[in-house]
Amino acid sequence: AQSVTQLDSQVPVFEEAPVELRCNYSSSVSVYLFWYVQYPNQGLQLLLKYLSGSTLVKGINGFEAEFNKSQTSFHLRKPSVHISDTAEYFCAATVDTDKLIFGTGTRLQVFP
Amino acid sequence: DAGVIQSPRHEVTEMGQEVTLRCKPISGHDYLFWYRQTMMRGLELLIYFNNNVPIDDSGMPEDRFSAKMPNASFSTLKIQPSEPRDSAVYFCASSFGQGAYEQYFGPGTRLTVT
Repeated sequence: AQSVTQLDSQVPVFEEAPVELRCNYSSSVSVYLFWYVQYPNQGLQLLLKYLSGSTLVKGINGFEAEFNKSQTSFHLRKPSVHISDTAEYFCAATVDTDKLIFGTGTRLQVFP
Repeated sequence: DAGVIQSPRHEVTEMGQEVTLRCKPISGHDYLFWYRQTMMRGLELLIYFNNNVPIDDSGMPEDRFSAKMPNASFSTLKIQPSEPRDSAVYFCASSFGQGAYEQYFGPGTRLTVT
């Protein structure tokens, strides 16, 4: 069965520091991978997605993620975070079904 | 486009009462998803529709939950009777196409059952 694991439930970081949010998936076939962000009291919105091709994917707000097939990972990175990046981040995957499988989320807290 | 619209944004009800949550997807989208989010269980897919037809309702917790999509622009999620453990934020999302396509989420309905 397909699953998505986000190992860190919370990641505290100071403003302007780099950050990496980890995501691992389990699937024996090709997957589509996504990162969504949820700001307080809002719905989720897409940050970026990997479908095929280049393993480095760039998204909105300066975020990027790298697909690593051998490690079955899709970690999200930003070289310098801002206070406004404080939010919950969800990794998600889908194979050949219509359903997205979401991870449990990582709360990024950026401190001044 | 106004995005996915959900109503009400907040609902407080007493145990045993019927609750109806509403969703208007983005025009032209052919998939509609209902999710539930709680601290304990995270984000759970309850049911999804394709072209107004329910495709997978395996995530619906029990018979107290039902969902309908009478037309391409409207869907409801009903809980009858409601229980305190149903308290959660319920999200509706829509997409054009499956799998690789982005899901657009509504702002959610925060349900509190006392």
